[in-house]
Amino acid sequence: DSGVTQTPKHLITATGQRVTLRCSPRSGDLSVYWYQQSLDQGLQFLIQYYNGEERAKGNILERFSAQQFPDLHSELNLSSLELGDSALYFCASSADRRVTDTQYFGPGTRLTVL
Amino acid sequence: GIQVEQSPPDLILQEGANSTLRCNFSDSVNNLQWFHQNPWGQLINLFYIPSGTKQNGRLSATTVATERYSLLYISSSQTTDSGVYFCAVESGGTSYGKLTFGQGTILTVHP
Repeated sequence: DSGVTQTPKHLITATGQRVTLRCSPRSGDLSVYWYQQSLDQGLQFLIQYYNGEERAKGNILERFSAQQFPDLHSELNLSSLELGDSALYFCASSADRRVTDTQYFGPGTRLTVL
Repeated sequence: GIQVEQSPPDLILQEGANSTLRCNFSDSVNNLQWFHQNPWGQLINLFYIPSGTKQNGRLSATTVATERYSLLYISSSQTTDSGVYFCAVESGGTSYGKLTFGQGTILTVHP
């Protein structure tokens, strides 16, 4: 158990819908990262937050957005869903963005868009 | 951006065999991690190893940063070692915090 929790574990929805994925980092970790794992693209970095502020962006679509709340949990919002958004979405956390540190991954949320 | 290549793409072993997985990267790195993705999809941290050598039980890893590669050694493999092994790197600068993953090595250990 990495200490990072994600809900829900599975999500099945239809095209055009909007979903919210939730992540709670390890106790004391200030940085949260979101990654997407799909069959065709592999594991890709989406976005990073540190202590409530966005710090880095990767290959995140405009239909996707994220935020980190004062209690440090984070949410990834996916809207106008398409079939190609079906993937495993991981959240990771690390202690401090000022130094390079181990990223610990949550169990993931498996999203299926029908 | 930084490129990460893992080899071999697939590896099939009998229980008890040893193996070496390789990760090549195209630029200097601040962070290098090895992960095992189990059949349930969970990514399990194996090593944080931007340089040097570490060992944890039957697993060990070596990163030679100056030559831009890392090796993961699995000794006396067990069926529970099956899964996908990923190498991921962070190259710093504008890539700070972003882990770039290789395509993985699919390991199958037969009893």
